[in-house]
Amino acid sequence: QVTLKESGPTLVKPTQTLTLTCTFSGFSLSTSGVGVGWIRQPPGKALEWLALIYWDDDKRYSPSLKSRLTITKDTSKNQVVLTLTNMDPVDTATYYCAHSTVGAISAQFQHWGQGTLVTVSS
Amino acid sequence: QTVVTQEPSLTVSPGGTVTLTCASSTGAVTSAYYPNWFQQKPGQAPRALIYSTSNKHSWTPARFSGSLLGGKAALTLSGVQPEDEAEYYCLLYYGGAWVFGGGTKLTVL
Repeated sequence: QVTLKESGPTLVKPTQTLTLTCTFSGFSLSTSGVGVGWIRQPPGKALEWLALIYWDDDKRYSPSLKSRLTITKDTSKNQVVLTLTNMDPVDTATYYCAHSTVGAISAQFQHWGQGTLVTVSS
Repeated sequence: QTVVTQEPSLTVSPGGTVTLTCASSTGAVTSAYYPNWFQQKPGQAPRALIYSTSNKHSWTPARFSGSLLGGKAALTLSGVQPEDEAEYYCLLYYGGAWVFGGGTKLTVL
């Protein structure tokens, strides 16, 4: 059974750096084709894809946020960490992590965490 | 900046059929965009329904199907149930990065 859980601060101040951790079980991030991604959703708004890290440490970022995002993995701990610098109130959102698998002709985000709400306010 | 466009809202009667679409600002959507579809109900995390255009997950009800239609990715619900009322999001791949559509609010009425 695959599970993912996001953890981190619920409140951050403007200009601070947000650090979120995704702790997962039921799969290994050292297995070929496996990845973990981050997605966020401001209250009442649409989903926004942020970043993805693959089993081979390949990292992909949203072009619009690339300068502020960093994604890393700790395979031994089954964790993926996302940092977002220079937080602003518009970054207030529920942040989700998701398990992804890619193949020769397929790609999917099949399992999601429950999400964690992060509010940016002074 | 790449924009993925979905119908903001659709209404369908119980037992009816409805098709949601997903268009790309870069042109026609093909299988190379690996279209994914997700369902989200209020207060819940998104749930994956379809991947790589038309593949279903083991938990995806048979009434959901994915396809390419007129240069767009499409999600068709046949025999709609009241519990299908939700927000639906598509997700497209752009050579390394992924982009979500704005979502379609499906009302079953």
